[in-house]
Amino acid sequence: QLQVQESGPGLVRPSETLSLTCTVSGGSIGSSNSYWNWIRQAPGKGPEWIGNIYYNGKTYYNPSLKPRLTISVDSSKNEFSLQLTSVTAADTAIYYCARESVITTYGVVTTRYGIDVWGQGTTVTVSS
Amino acid sequence: QAVLTQPSSLSASPGASASLTCTLRSGFDVGIYRIFWYQQKPGSPPQYLLRYKSDSDQHQGSGVPSRFSGSKDASANAGILFISGLQSEDEADYFCMIWHSSAWVFGGGTKLTVL
Repeated sequence: QLQVQESGPGLVRPSETLSLTCTVSGGSIGSSNSYWNWIRQAPGKGPEWIGNIYYNGKTYYNPSLKPRLTISVDSSKNEFSLQLTSVTAADTAIYYCARESVITTYGVVTTRYGIDVWGQGTTVTVSS
Repeated sequence: QAVLTQPSSLSASPGASASLTCTLRSGFDVGIYRIFWYQQKPGSPPQYLLRYKSDSDQHQGSGVPSRFSGSKDASANAGILFISGLQSEDEADYFCMIWHSSAWVFGGGTKLTVL
């Protein structure tokens, strides 16, 4: 059964870079039927989508975070990663990685079937 | 104005039914979107319940009881999560989500209280 698990520092200083890794198990990150997502949830708030990546490196980013955001994939390690620069207290949240199921034709996504596998989440606090 | 608007809270009695709405902002046609629904309990990640676009394009998450169903109200430009036979374990936050302009967009969530 496919599982994803977040890892990374729980505390980041303001103005520094938040870096998280998501390890995929029970399946291949190179699957043509999966996009790999980052989502965060601030205390007491609804989820906020951060961005996602395909195994070939194709990415989609939340426009509000795009200037500070990089998502990358390492197929050899079955992992994908998140880097968010110049963090502030507003970036304090639970960060989730998740798998999105897609249908592709000739490498182009034709149908998105939504986010169906979530990690347990990791709490990141931005504070000095 | 948010793209997806959900009532912040809803209360219902055990055994009753509840309709949770997800209203799309004016200019967004609910008819063209797959609407995804998630349940989240305290201390846990959201769990996929179902998706609904039409009666011929819908999907129930694995292990999700048939008491949970999706629909749309075109006149209200809204997606609906219907829960019948409410149980205490249904008390949770519920979020809707759509894919729009190459991004996933979440609603703010409805806290369902079963009492």
